[in-house]
Amino acid sequence: ETGVTQTPRHLVMGMTNKKSLKCEQHLGHNAMYWYKQSAKKPLELMFVYNFKEQTENNSVPSRFSPECPNSSHLFLHLHTLQPEDSALYLCASSQDPVYGYTFGSGTRLTVV
Amino acid sequence: GENVEQHPSTLSVQEGDSAVIKCTYSDSASNYFPWYKQELGKGPQLIIDIRSNVGEKKDQRIAVTLNKTAKHFSLHITETQPEDSAVYFCAANFNTDKLIFGTGTRLQVFP
Repeated sequence: ETGVTQTPRHLVMGMTNKKSLKCEQHLGHNAMYWYKQSAKKPLELMFVYNFKEQTENNSVPSRFSPECPNSSHLFLHLHTLQPEDSALYLCASSQDPVYGYTFGSGTRLTVV
Repeated sequence: GENVEQHPSTLSVQEGDSAVIKCTYSDSASNYFPWYKQELGKGPQLIIDIRSNVGEKKDQRIAVTLNKTAKHFSLHITETQPEDSAVYFCAANFNTDKLIFGTGTRLQVFP
């Protein structure tokens, strides 16, 4: 375990479903991130929270909605997704916005 | 724009040989360059990093070199072992608030 825990590990959802991904870190970090990892593409930064405040929203479609209730927990709420949204969604945390990222193991999402 | 290019996309080597992965970055103000290793079913894990005030850094069989003039940096793995097989990502910082990652290199080490 890296200290960043993501649940669930796998998720299959229909295009009309609503689901949430959860991330929890036990490292005392102040910043948390959502990344999307698709085959043959770079890791895509989706959202950044620093001290619970959203500081980055990388032109992500509104069908993805983040929530950061405290500095240890991060959620990604999903609704009316498209098949092209199928990917590995990675959560990371760090003490500084650039240095020492710790990643979780990811949630493998399949949209059918 | 914010861009990190990484080559090759796949690399196969015999156990004991060396492996080299290269990255270039676009922002001359970048000053932090980490490398991550991602094993199957896991998230990326930081293995080594270098800052712009040094040209080379070593940690046992792993080394990273940086050429600021050319805006490229490389990962060198010597005496490769089967457990080195994974996907490796380079990254560079842009401004002070984000990392941009390369597209990854799948390294296979054959016994």
